[in-house]
Amino acid sequence: QSVLTQPPSASGTPGQRVTISCSGSSSNIGSNTVNWYQQLPGTAPKLLIYSNNQRPSGVPDRFSGSKSGTSASLAISGLQSEDEADYYCAAWDDSLTGPVFGGGTKLTVL
Amino acid sequence: EVQLVESGGGLVKPGGSLRLSCAASGFTFSSYSMNWVRQTPGKGLEWVSSISSSGSYIYYADSVKGRFTISRDNAKNSLYLQMNSLRAEDTAVYYCARCSSCYNGRGVRFDPWGQGTLVTVSS
Repeated sequence: QSVLTQPPSASGTPGQRVTISCSGSSSNIGSNTVNWYQQLPGTAPKLLIYSNNQRPSGVPDRFSGSKSGTSASLAISGLQSEDEADYYCAAWDDSLTGPVFGGGTKLTVL
Repeated sequence: EVQLVESGGGLVKPGGSLRLSCAASGFTFSSYSMNWVRQTPGKGLEWVSSISSSGSYIYYADSVKGRFTISRDNAKNSLYLQMNSLRAEDTAVYYCARCSSCYNGRGVRFDPWGQGTLVTVSS
């Protein structure tokens, strides 16, 4: 079982807005920033959002992140077929003294 | 271009050992903390170990503590993972990842990741 909890799947149609949640605790999300990773089929993960809501250069502004208390969310607006991927949240855990990941959410574009 | 290339994966019997390497290029390797993260086939991501830029700070996941050893050679721009007493549950793709904005090895901003190397533990 992953320390951070994500829904196993999400879906949407092209152009739609979808959100993916990530739930943690006071030792991880509650006290540290959240990062999101996108893993396209057959490739390595790629940093999508860092420090809760910052986008690395090259990441479209269709992707946005937010955090409140011990939960975080990733929102994807104007959904495109190329967004079909696995998405993971991650945060440092002060109790475990290391990073923890969510179990991943498989996004399907219908 | 910032690049990380892992090597050293393969098939090993339970109880055996393997040493993974990660060759870095395109950035000042000695300025960054580095990490190993693994992914079981068809499953999610699991952090394995991290090491600070100088090697002074090292962290391990409980699942590998006492069996795996992370190290680095800044002169060779290389990161290593010595894996001993391997178990079937260690079977995974192992990625090395650079940690940006990490302090003393602590952080989760992994960018970029290597392409991964597959470790299979089976008799």
